[in-house]
Amino acid sequence: NAGVTQTPKFRVLKTGQSMTLLCAQDMNHEYMYWYRQDPGMGLRLIHYSVGEGTTAKGEVPDGYNVSRLKKQNFLLGLESAAPSQTSVYFCASRPRDRGSYNEQFFGPGTRLTVL
Amino acid sequence: AQKITQTQPGMFVQEKEAVTLDCTYDTSDPSYGLFWYKQPSSGEMIFLIYQGSYDQQNATEGRYSLNFQKARKSANLVISASQLGDSAMYFCAMRGISMLGGTSYGKLTFGQGTILTVHP
Repeated sequence: NAGVTQTPKFRVLKTGQSMTLLCAQDMNHEYMYWYRQDPGMGLRLIHYSVGEGTTAKGEVPDGYNVSRLKKQNFLLGLESAAPSQTSVYFCASRPRDRGSYNEQFFGPGTRLTVL
Repeated sequence: AQKITQTQPGMFVQEKEAVTLDCTYDTSDPSYGLFWYKQPSSGEMIFLIYQGSYDQQNATEGRYSLNFQKARKSANLVISASQLGDSAMYFCAMRGISMLGGTSYGKLTFGQGTILTVHP
């Protein structure tokens, strides 16, 4: 099992450019998440999905869009990148609740710089 | 709303000594879970330990234990016999109960993190 993978690992964009970050998981998890991590701060939730075709906003959704067309993939889009979106982006997944305990499994992260 | 507070930006410990990383939380959810993750300099997020709000005993996983004091709303991580490889950023996180279309999804709220440095 590859677990949670993210593509690309690094990317540099110019202000106004667009891009899509891809997250893939091979654990058949229902729930998937996108977080961003900024210096001196913990991870903050951007968007999440509880199943194929379903997405919802998290804590910091502005400037991002997401899609979950297939259960194993969760895409994060930046339509017009801004320097404030310079961050490290983490994708995570976990199975649907089957009790009180379910950890989230994280991808390796994507380091994005917007100039 | 949920909030996690980690008041120690940085901690230092001598190799083989024990260290406690503080975490306090605030929530109105009747049921919740508390997690600790480790982030080494390589950047990946590594799950360490979990404590459920209704668990009767404090969680333990090898050298990691969670000192859970529900009345004080604290969930401190204790690392015993520190090793050089323990040097990393440590995050406390909380999962409450939230609903979307009738399905709970367990959003995680993270603290700011504590950088732990283990000295030889």
